Amino acid sequence: NAGVTQTPKFQVLKTGQSMTLQCAQDMNHEYMSWYRQDPGMGLRLIHYSVGAGITDQGEVPNGYNVSRSTTEDFPLRLLSAAPSQTSVYFCASSRDRAGYGYTFGSGTRLTVV
Amino acid sequence: GNSVTQMEGPVTLSEEAFLTINCTYTATGYPSLFWYVQYPGEGLQLLLKATKADDKGSNKGFEATYRKETTSFHLEKGSVQVSDSAVYFCALSDKSGGSNYKLTFGKGTLLTVNP
Repeated sequence: NAGVTQTPKFQVLKTGQSMTLQCAQDMNHEYMSWYRQDPGMGLRLIHYSVGAGITDQGEVPNGYNVSRSTTEDFPLRLLSAAPSQTSVYFCASSRDRAGYGYTFGSGTRLTVV
Repeated sequence: GNSVTQMEGPVTLSEEAFLTINCTYTATGYPSLFWYVQYPGEGLQLLLKATKADDKGSNKGFEATYRKETTSFHLEKGSVQVSDSAVYFCALSDKSGGSNYKLTFGKGTLLTVNP
């Protein structure tokens, strides 16, 4: 099925470890974003991309890196995991800047111990 | 900056009751407005949208009207079902300036519908 695919679905990390959350979409969308969801906080934007080779920071970028080498893929890297990064992470993509809204992946639940 | 404020939950209703979830926004430009729904254990799904003033978005019995004069986008449904139990997020995407590509979300409202 067409859509946004995130892997893994669950992950436990130790403090200081690094890892990459994968995100892929097969809809040829230009715009992709990473959000984190925390209780009582809604969703907060980490990084976003408006096309291959172009990325920018969102509200809460510290501790995360992204790159966009292809239209399809937008991985999120945690450089040195901290307990404050325990969250549910969502990747989203959109064909249009504002009018169509985003398609979300099913999320990655990350726990940092 | 842009912001979205929605009524705090949780909201608990009986089946067939009328639902309203309030949402107001502030934006520097001319935003598109969205309601997303998140069912337990799943990602967010677009429920409905409106791209300009006085537009009404509708889907699955839910409706919301873009009110520029009151900067509001309240979600309504005339008769809720148990299957509507979920978290509902109001969001905006500002079409002007450098913030074209981002969604700003409210904190979400948990709705529980009892049989």
